Amino acid sequence: DAGITQSPRYKITETGRQVTLMCHQTWSHSYMFWYRQDLGHGLRLIYYSAAADITDKGEVPDGYVVSRSKTENFPLTLESATRSQTSVYFCASSELGLAGGETQYFGPGTRLLVL
Amino acid sequence: AQKVTQAQTEISVVEKEDVTLDCVYETRDTTYYLFWYKQPPSGELVFLIRRNSFDEQNEISGRYSWNFQKSTSSFNFTITASQVVDSAVYFCALSSGSWGKLQFGAGTQVVVTP
Repeated sequence: DAGITQSPRYKITETGRQVTLMCHQTWSHSYMFWYRQDLGHGLRLIYYSAAADITDKGEVPDGYVVSRSKTENFPLTLESATRSQTSVYFCASSELGLAGGETQYFGPGTRLLVL
Repeated sequence: AQKVTQAQTEISVVEKEDVTLDCVYETRDTTYYLFWYKQPPSGELVFLIRRNSFDEQNEISGRYSWNFQKSTSSFNFTITASQVVDSAVYFCALSSGSWGKLQFGAGTQVVVTP
C-alpha cells in the first residue's frame, strides 16, 4: 500500500528555473493539498483541490501553479524559482467529507533549495 | 479568520516526566475540527488525533491524552511518562468549512533526554 508519495525527495535548483514537484496518492482521495513548512510558521497552505480540474488558492499561492488532470496526481510547479521558495513541501490528501473535517494524510515531503 | 496558537516553542524534559502541549484556537465557525500531528526527526507528519467541535469528551490513548475545552478555545495534549522516542515537533491544527483546509500552529519542539 503506497499511500501518498512525493518526488523528488530532495531538489537543488537555481533562481529563475522552473521546478515541478510531484505528488501521487493511491487511496482515490478526492481532496489534495500542498503545504510549505518554514521555521516559525508551521505549515501553510499553498493550493488545494477537491477533484480533478477543481483547484483553488490557499494562504501563500504566489509563484506557484497547480494542475489536477487525474484524481491521483497533484503536481506543484514553481514557475520561476526564488530563494524565498526554499522550503520543505508537503502534499496531503483526504477523503471527501461533508463538513470538511476529514483527516489529511501527508506525503514524506520534498526539501527544495533554491540557490 | 482562523488562527492556531502554540505558545510554547520548545519544551525539554527528562525521560519519564509528563509534558503538556498547549494549543489555543480562534474560529467563528460553530462546526470545526481540531487535530494533532507529530513530526519526528525523520520529517514525516504523523496523524495523532482528530476532534470535532461537538465532542468535548477527553480521550486517553496509551500514554497520550487530550483535553478539549470549548469555553477556553483550547485543545491541549499531554504525554505521560515521556520517552526519548517522543522527541518530535508537535503541531496543532484547525479545520472548518467544506474544503477541510488545515490551519496549523507554529509547532512545539519536544526534547526528551534520557
